[in-house]
Parts: sequence; structure tokens; C-alpha cells
Amino acid sequence: EPEVTQTPSHQVTQMGQEVILRCVPISNHLYFYWYRQILGQKVEFLVSFYNNEISEKSEIFDDQFSVERPDGSNFTLKIRSTKLEDSAMYFCASSLPSDRINYGYTFGSGTRLTVV
Amino acid sequence: AQSVSQHNHHVILSEAASLELGCNYSYGGTVNLFWYVQYPGQHLQLLLKYFSGDPLVKGIKGFEAEFIKSKFSFNLRKPSVQWSDTAEYFCAVRRLNYGQNFVFGPGTRLSVLP
Repeated sequence: EPEVTQTPSHQVTQMGQEVILRCVPISNHLYFYWYRQILGQKVEFLVSFYNNEISEKSEIFDDQFSVERPDGSNFTLKIRSTKLEDSAMYFCASSLPSDRINYGYTFGSGTRLTVV
Repeated sequence: AQSVSQHNHHVILSEAASLELGCNYSYGGTVNLFWYVQYPGQHLQLLLKYFSGDPLVKGIKGFEAEFIKSKFSFNLRKPSVQWSDTAEYFCAVRRLNYGQNFVFGPGTRLSVLP
């Protein structure tokens, strides 16, 4: 079964440093997403990306965050200057559009980001 | 505020007990509804989804859920739980014509005692 792959599985970074989280979505999917889950809290939507541009973003996704699809396979989330409160599990997901018959929405295994 | 709520924060059951986890949403209009499971240390996995048609949806691992439109509910059920069902369960809602993203409920932690 196709998978969404995320690397690294765990990243520790110092406050103020830039971090890039990487994701390889399912190859025929067209929408790409980042969600995050702070420890003990619910999963929160950050951003969706379609046709090489951001299609939606939440209020969490401020100027410190950016996303990019640098080539045909990777989808990255960059946090420019990390804060302690950015510590969370970050999930990448990809999907077909909802009007497709075989609509699928698949999450990756997550990257645990720890900011110290 | 518009949201997705789950009735219980933590549910503890013995093996073979029946399970029902509540989920309510407060959005009007047409929605797609999902239940995801997150086993300890693992990623979110889809249990089942409802788009349209029969409001009783069957998913993997013996789970089912019933969409009751008048109650804005999508409760998850399993007639007989196993120790391996110990996990966090998330209800999620996608509002049609409001984009592709999901709104997740806060999650319910299920602990099944052997």
C-alpha cells in the first residue's frame, strides 16, 4: 500500500534555529498538507498546498513557516526561527481531490520536533 | 464556535467489552466524516469514513460508525474490544466547499485491560 514518508523521525534543534521537515507524498496525489500535534493535544491543521501554491492555511501558519515542493517528489515544511512552543509531532499528508472516486487522504508517520 | 467534540477524554475497558466513542460536530452543510486511530508511537491511520449513502459505515478491525445527521453525530462502535485496540481515537470532519483540510476532535484515549 502506498505510504507517505517523513524524515527525520525525530529532530532536536536549538531555539532560534531553522529547521526543515521533509515529506515524500504518494506519487499520484495532488494535495499536500502539514498538520501538527502538540503533546497531549489534538491534531491541528497548518497548511495545504496544491498546484505549487498554498491553498489554505491556519492562523498557526505565520511568517515563521513556509512550505515548498522543490522537486517532483518532496514536500517540505520550514520553520525559520524555532520557538519552544513549536515542539510537536508534525504530520505530512497527501490526498486526491475529494471529488475523485478513490478519494484518499494518507498521513505519514510524523516527525517529532523538539526545540530546546 | 464551530468545532468537533469528542465526549470522553479517556475510556478504560476490559477485553470483550463493547465500545462506543462519541463525536459531535457543529458545522452546517454537507460534511465528510472520518475516524482515525493512532497507536502508541505511530502515525494516524484511517479506520473508516463517511461521504454519503448508508449512514452506518463499516471500517477496518471490526469498527463501525453511525452518522446521525439530525444529531450532528458520528459515533464509533465496536462490539468487543481487544487489548490491541489500545490507542488514541480521533474524529475528523471535512466541510465540503470549505477546502480540503480536516478539523480534528481532541481525541479519546482508549485503554483496554487484558
